[in-house]
Amino acid sequence: QKEVEQNSGPLSVPEGAIASLNCTYSDRVSQSFFWYRQYSGKSPELIMSIYSNGDKEDGRFTAQLNKASQYVSLLIRDSQPSDSATYLCAVNSGGGADGLTFGKGTHLIIQP
Amino acid sequence: DAGVIQSPRHEVTEMGQEVTLRCKLISGHNSLFWYRQTMMRGLELLIYFNNNVPIDDSGMPEDRFSAKMPNASFSTLKIQPSEPRDSAVYFCASSSARVLGDEKLFFGSGTQLSVL
Repeated sequence: QKEVEQNSGPLSVPEGAIASLNCTYSDRVSQSFFWYRQYSGKSPELIMSIYSNGDKEDGRFTAQLNKASQYVSLLIRDSQPSDSATYLCAVNSGGGADGLTFGKGTHLIIQP
Repeated sequence: DAGVIQSPRHEVTEMGQEVTLRCKLISGHNSLFWYRQTMMRGLELLIYFNNNVPIDDSGMPEDRFSAKMPNASFSTLKIQPSEPRDSAVYFCASSSARVLGDEKLFFGSGTQLSVL
């Protein structure tokens, strides 16, 4: 049974600070890792993907992957109130579209 | 591009009734996923298709659930008979991924199902 674990939060961060979101996964053969953002009442949307150990930066977002520790994180720099949402970590054990296993998400609140 | 289109947006039905959820894929996508989301269990993968063929239905909770993909652009998820514990948001997502690095799932707006 593949498991993806996240702290449900809420995680409260002041505007302009760095928000740090964490995720652990159980399947050691997992190859692809994703972060989705979901606003209340909306559908998930992809914001980052990462496949190799290390950091991957895209604008204000940085994804970090440590396969030895089975750990993925997402950093959001210069947090904005519009970043307030639930962030879902997702893991794919195979190459290609073989179905993602999602964590339950972390509810992030950016305080103005 | 209109994106993944789901219908209906909301469905309220009584226990025992048949429910059919519909999904239209993004043109050119070849993989289709049905997910269910609840507060308690989060997003759960129910079934996925690749090139119209069901690849993994191990997430389908019971025989009451069935899914079809009669053509490359359309899918249905049917619940018969429905039960109150089926109440959830059902998402359809599509992807064109067959190359590592391109597993972007595009989600529809979801169907909010309430079974009374």
